[in-house]
Amino acid sequence: SQTIHQWPATLVQPVGSPLSLECTVEGTSNPNLYWYRQAAGRGLQLLFYSVGIGQISSEVPQNLSASRPQDRQFILSSKKLLLSDSGFYLCAWSTTHEQYFGPGTRLTVT
Amino acid sequence: SQKIEQNSEALNIQEGKTATLTCNYTNYSPAYLQWYRQDPGRGPVFLLLIRENEKEKRKERLKVTFDTTLKQSLFHITASQPADSATYLCAPGPGPGFKTIFGAGTRLFVKA
Repeated sequence: SQTIHQWPATLVQPVGSPLSLECTVEGTSNPNLYWYRQAAGRGLQLLFYSVGIGQISSEVPQNLSASRPQDRQFILSSKKLLLSDSGFYLCAWSTTHEQYFGPGTRLTVT
Repeated sequence: SQKIEQNSEALNIQEGKTATLTCNYTNYSPAYLQWYRQDPGRGPVFLLLIRENEKEKRKERLKVTFDTTLKQSLFHITASQPADSATYLCAPGPGPGFKTIFGAGTRLFVKA
């Protein structure tokens, strides 16, 4: 069966510090991968998606970037965090229409 | 641009009643529509997908309808239970560039 992992579960970082969130998927090959952000009480905002290794599409211009160094690994990064980067970050995978989400990372930028 | 509307106000119902949630969309014609459940502090969980040529789909106590003329989907939970309390998201698709766009969700509270 397929499993998706995200870490860390929670993170508190000062403004201006770097960020690296990792997501890995097991049990499937060549999945589409997604990074979403969800502000408190709000909907899902698609940040990046990838249809293959090294193929990244950015949805919202901001100080975040994503990389897919391996088929089932998706990394979200930032060189300098802003207060507005705080939120709940979710990774998801799909091979057809339905998406399967990871447990999420709660990021607080102070 | 594509727009998805779900009732932003929470829905409060009594245990045992049927909960009905609404999803309206504008400016596109989705080939299918998905419903997800999200519990606080967790990622969404896929529940059901209904295609444009299907008027209704059922899964246990869940029923989804899809009216492409009204550009609306209704999501029903029959014999609701307190454990059904969660936020329910709709996602008509495919979105632009074959991405999935999610509605903001409706919060459901089922009281015992």
